Amino acid sequence: QKEVEQDPGPLSVPEGAIVSLNCTYSNSAFQYFMWYRQYSRKGPELLMYTYSSGNKEDGRFTAQVDKSSKYISLFIRDSQPSDSATYLCAMSEELLTFGKGITLSVRP
Amino acid sequence: KAGVTQTPRYLIKTRGQQVTLSCSPISGHRSVSWYQQTPGQGLQFLFEYFSETQRNKGNFPGRFSGRQFSNSRSEMNVSTLELGDSALYLCASSSLYGTYHSGANVLTFGAGSRLTVL
Repeated sequence: QKEVEQDPGPLSVPEGAIVSLNCTYSNSAFQYFMWYRQYSRKGPELLMYTYSSGNKEDGRFTAQVDKSSKYISLFIRDSQPSDSATYLCAMSEELLTFGKGITLSVRP
Repeated sequence: KAGVTQTPRYLIKTRGQQVTLSCSPISGHRSVSWYQQTPGQGLQFLFEYFSETQRNKGNFPGRFSGRQFSNSRSEMNVSTLELGDSALYLCASSSLYGTYHSGANVLTFGAGSRLTVL
């Protein structure tokens, strides 16, 4: 079992939809939880960062961490075609461990 | 502020050859990390350098090596290339040692070097 499992894709939604992206993990020592977004032919960029359990909101994006269930989620409200990208969850105690990523396509 | 620059962006090699990839971090960043990204395995950590010293190393064979120079620029080398080494190699820089993140310590990735081994 890999330390970080991410829902496989790809995922295609219509513009305006609410998107839910999820990851589970096995290492209870993880304390820092991140979501990266990677556009085609680009490197990943940090989208959201949370420490420990709870929710964090940034505009249309909400990151949620449930340490008791070892489960993290990223919600995208009112999705836009510009949100089309690969989303990677990542978490760390010291070294970052990434999920494999899910490719999201938002149809106009 | 210039971002992380990786060269070359694309390259094609044959099995048995070696390759050297270069990374120039953001000015002032002293930590450089390297990752391999493939569709099957995702992003996998190769190694991290801070102030010219390798601080952490991932689970890759000895054919993968790296170094960091006094100006924080880094290179990674893969010798005796295998077909399975075909991947996007990403470099990331940060201002602090360690790849954990605080609000002030963010990993900034370059666009990557896409290596194809034939």
